[in-house]
Amino acid sequence: DSAVTQTPKHLITATGQRVTLRCSPRSGDLSVYWYQQSLDQGLQFLIQYYNGEERAKGNILERFSAQQFPDLHSELNLSSLELGDSALYFCASSVGAGTYEQYFGPGTRLTVT
Amino acid sequence: QQQVKQSPQSLIVQKGGISIINCAYENTAFDYFPWYQQFPGKGPALLIAIRPDVSEKKEGRFTISFNKSAKQFSLHIMDSQPGDSATYFCAASVRASGTYKYIFGTGTRLKVLA
Repeated sequence: DSAVTQTPKHLITATGQRVTLRCSPRSGDLSVYWYQQSLDQGLQFLIQYYNGEERAKGNILERFSAQQFPDLHSELNLSSLELGDSALYFCASSVGAGTYEQYFGPGTRLTVT
Repeated sequence: QQQVKQSPQSLIVQKGGISIINCAYENTAFDYFPWYQQFPGKGPALLIAIRPDVSEKKEGRFTISFNKSAKQFSLHIMDSQPGDSATYFCAASVRASGTYKYIFGTGTRLKVLA
């Protein structure tokens, strides 16, 4: 399957907790991007990894971090969670670091209570 | 200068009609303009994209019109169908530090009435 996959689909947790979101890029894609989608902010770029290394940073909070592993899957770690972190988190992938087309996964819906 | 302004926020069109969504940008360094379609509970899916060296691109019922001098681009959906009901996002991409950053518009929720 060449689609971008994300787990879990839904996550409910309490304020102050830490969660890890996982993304597997399309087969052959080396870049992974993380986005946050909330009702009032639209799609916001968080961070990009290319072949295991951080490539670009967007509006990512210091409480958030990410990494890309040798098998190219990526994890987004969110800590000290606040109510305002409730959102959809999308992962996208592309072939290279400087490739136009990005392909999105189905997202993880995070609810912080 | 990094913003992409999208309008309208929502749109209702009769089946068979033309849906038009507009986006405007300021940064002339943007060099790739994709449109994404998102159904509820799904991730955005790349629909069609254009580069600033052409004024129009058509794929099936979907057309992007691009006006470089006005710094505007729009998505036209011809013969709109109920299955087109979704949220549409425009985006602009700029190359920086060896990668491409996407700036997304705020989205347009399209409803096509049967």
